[in-house]
Amino acid sequence: GQQLNQSPQSMFIQEGEDVSMNCTSSSIFNTWLWYKQDPGEGPVLLIALYKAGELTSNGRLTAQFGITRKDSFLNISASIPSDVGIYFCAGEDSNYKLTFGKGTLLTVNP
Amino acid sequence: ETGVTQTPRHLVMGMTNKKSLKCEQHLGHNAMYWYKQSAKKPLELMFVYSLEERVENNSVPSRFSPECPNSSHLFLHLHTLQPEDSALYLCASSQDQGGGYTFGSGTRLTVV
Repeated sequence: GQQLNQSPQSMFIQEGEDVSMNCTSSSIFNTWLWYKQDPGEGPVLLIALYKAGELTSNGRLTAQFGITRKDSFLNISASIPSDVGIYFCAGEDSNYKLTFGKGTLLTVNP
Repeated sequence: ETGVTQTPRHLVMGMTNKKSLKCEQHLGHNAMYWYKQSAKKPLELMFVYSLEERVENNSVPSRFSPECPNSSHLFLHLHTLQPEDSALYLCASSQDQGGGYTFGSGTRLTVV
């Protein structure tokens, strides 16, 4: 089956620092999605990318859909304590099937 | 209420018990999903319902039985579970299959 390699698995940063995480795959996807999951809650959609090369921002978050359609990255600028959580990438194929990465656990030290 | 609501939030059950998880979506979506989330593993798709019909069953053991009586409600009936079935069970919905899903808060299931 399809697999996504998401890295890093975890990050420990100081408040104010920028963060970058990415996902790569051997498969092509039509859509890339980035979710955040807070403790005890379900994932919440942060950014959706629909076109190769697309660069989209949502506040301090910026994500890009790789040109090859096999990768995506998410950047968070000027991190704050509430950015803590698990970030998941997900790729959607031509059959509308979502494949999720294993997640990046982000810890922000005040 | 808005979004996707799951009940109960927490459930502890013995291996011989029968219980059900409930999901309700208030978004007017026509597709609903059950996912299993275990520690250090990617989200695992269990079942997909589109227009109240099951369209995908990812080789899930028969001790998990889904039911979708209408487009707003989804159930997961559980019986004779194993300890390794302990996980967070997430429900999600979407408009058509595709695009961003809206997830519920999940049911934390512990099988003892």
